[in-house]
Amino acid sequence: ETGVTQTPRHLVMGMTNKKSLKCEQHLGHNAMYWYKQSAKKPLELMFVYNFKEQTENNSVPSRFSPECPNSSHLFLHLHTLQPEDSALYLCASSQDSVFLAGGARFSYEQYFGPGTRLTVT
Amino acid sequence: KNQVEQSPQSLIILEGKNCTLQCNYTVSPFSNLRWYKQDTGRGPVSLTIMTFSENTKSNGRYTATLDADTKQSSLHITASQLSDSASYICVVRRGSTLGRLYFGRGTQLTVWP
Repeated sequence: ETGVTQTPRHLVMGMTNKKSLKCEQHLGHNAMYWYKQSAKKPLELMFVYNFKEQTENNSVPSRFSPECPNSSHLFLHLHTLQPEDSALYLCASSQDSVFLAGGARFSYEQYFGPGTRLTVT
Repeated sequence: KNQVEQSPQSLIILEGKNCTLQCNYTVSPFSNLRWYKQDTGRGPVSLTIMTFSENTKSNGRYTATLDADTKQSSLHITASQLSDSASYICVVRRGSTLGRLYFGRGTQLTVWP
C-alpha cells in the first residue's frame, strides 16, 4: 500500500445523483491532488491543494467540487454528472507543493491512491 | 508543445521473455523522468526516476535508460513474470524539482503464461 486510501473503490451513479469521493493520506504530506484517468488518455490533473488551500483548478467543470478540510483528507463532491465523466479518479499526495508566480508547482514524488472507478449512467 | 509519447500502446509477451518500452518527450526544460507501474484497478506506483545526468538505473528486473540529447527513455523488463502485466506510464517533470508533470498515455503490457 502507498499510504493513500480512497473510498469508495467503485461507484455507479445516475446523472441526477449527488455523491462524494473521499481520499485520505497517512504520510504526513501537505499537498493533495485529484486526477482523472480515462481510457487510452494520459492522466489529467484536476485540482491541487497545498496546506488545505486550493492552488490549481485545471478548468474543471463546476459539477466537480473539491473540498480539503485538512492536509490529510480530500473530497471530490459530484453532482449532475455526464456519462463522459465516467473514469478512474485518482487521488495523490506529496510532501509539499510550492506556489510560485505564474501557477502552482509540484514538489517531490507523488503517491497515488488506488482510485475510484466511477460510472455515470 | 510539451508532450510525452509512449510506444507501443500495448504489448503481449510470454512469461520469461524480455521487453522494452519506449518514451519520447518534448518537455523542455527537462528536470527528471519517472516510470510508473499501474496495476489494473490500482493507482500508479513509482518504479524509477531518472535525472539529467543519469543514463541507466536499475530496480530489480526493471532497467531504465535516458538519453537527454535525443529526449528518449526506455524501460527494459527482463525475465518477465505474470505480475508484470500492467500499464507502464512515463512522466516527465519540466523545469525544476518543483516543475509541472507531463504524463504519457502508458503502455499496456500483458504477460502470458
